[in-house]
Amino acid sequence: GAGVSQSPSNKVTEKGKDVELRCDPISGHTALYWYRQSLGQGLEFLIYFQGNSAPDKSGLPSDRFSAERTGGSVSTLTIQRTQQEDSAVYLCASSLNRGIAFFGQGTRLTVV
Amino acid sequence: KNQVEQSPQSLIILEGKNCTLQCNYTVSPFSNLRWYKQDTGRGPVSLTIMTFSENTKSNGRYTATLDADTKQSSLHITASQLSDSASYICVVSNIGGGTYKYIFGTGTRLKVLA
Repeated sequence: GAGVSQSPSNKVTEKGKDVELRCDPISGHTALYWYRQSLGQGLEFLIYFQGNSAPDKSGLPSDRFSAERTGGSVSTLTIQRTQQEDSAVYLCASSLNRGIAFFGQGTRLTVV
Repeated sequence: KNQVEQSPQSLIILEGKNCTLQCNYTVSPFSNLRWYKQDTGRGPVSLTIMTFSENTKSNGRYTATLDADTKQSSLHITASQLSDSASYICVVSNIGGGTYKYIFGTGTRLKVLA
């Protein structure tokens, strides 16, 4: 596609429910990143996929968070048993290795 | 530890004034440095990218500098406009094992007042 697409754009969920956030990177981009941005805070790295290499999961805050990237393209970030502190904007970015990282518009997650 | 620190955390200036945002990093090995602008409610958008050998790069009213020796970068905004109100994020690319990874600063929140 023309840019990085994320869905849904907004998600309100009840505490304890599972949620799935989707990211469609720019076609051909080998690198894909997930970040979290809490209100008024900077970007917090979550996970990084690069080609067929094992993902860098060092930023995932707990084992309730997981992500996968199928076929080297679409990625899904899953949060199990959501907590109120999970409320944030979840941003996805993709790049062609050393190229500029292009960001999606994010998914605003609100846990009530 | 690879880190990117930005200052100030927030800044308020009057329209038409200039300002300079700072970025210090401890990323090694260094590949390149980018400045992103993030409008409220939107994803970050790239402003400039600088490699090790570049000292200055301009994009309209935005001028970025890089001192690879001191590991410092600045973003200078000239004749600020209301539309410059945004968060400005410094991102340093780290190369390891042939792949690239981005280390993000926490950003400077700029507010331009009329």
